[in-house]
Amino acid sequence: DGGITQSPKYLFRKEGQNVTLSCEQNLNHDAMYWYRQDPGQGLRLIYYSQIVNDFQKGDIAEGYSVSREKKESFPLTVTSAQKNPTAFYLCASGKRELDTGELFFGEGSRLTVL
Amino acid sequence: AQSVTQLDSHVSVSEGTPVLLRCNYSSSYSPSLFWYVQHPNKGLQLLLKYTSAATLVKGINGFEAEFKKSETSFHLTKPSAHMSDAAEYFCVVSVYNFNKFYFGSGTKLNVKP
Repeated sequence: DGGITQSPKYLFRKEGQNVTLSCEQNLNHDAMYWYRQDPGQGLRLIYYSQIVNDFQKGDIAEGYSVSREKKESFPLTVTSAQKNPTAFYLCASGKRELDTGELFFGEGSRLTVL
Repeated sequence: AQSVTQLDSHVSVSEGTPVLLRCNYSSSYSPSLFWYVQHPNKGLQLLLKYTSAATLVKGINGFEAEFKKSETSFHLTKPSAHMSDAAEYFCVVSVYNFNKFYFGSGTKLNVKP
């Protein structure tokens, strides 16, 4: 089955540590996205990538970094510079085409800073 | 500029009664509009989408939405709520050819037995 796989589902981090969240898709989509979800705030865009080896900052990129070395993979690193990293993180992918299609989402990763 | 406003943060209905979740959008271009559903600690699943074809869009699980350009609305409805409909619902707008998506803040639907 085609889809998006995020791992780990739950992650605990001590303050000052960097952590990397994995996102893999086998949908052959060009575009991939990372969102952060906090209660009552909807989804906020962290980074997105429309093609391999290229990515752009979203609305809340500070304290995060990404890479897009392969079409299938778009890992997100939450660095120690992120002041309030406890949140639910969602990865999504979509077709990069003129007639905008929908986003497909992974199951999410919940990060808790201890 | 593009934005989405979901008019109710919480909606509570009884099982078997109609559901109405309200969404207004603002877009400088012809928008694509979507409704997604999210169950606790899960990803988002597409319910339905409008992409400039028919203004009344039917989705999964008996949901439908009507695009009203004059009112800049895209409200989600279902004739009869089921307990399994209890979840959070997001209205999303996307702009043609920009591949960016703008999310509403979500509406939590509670279904009472």
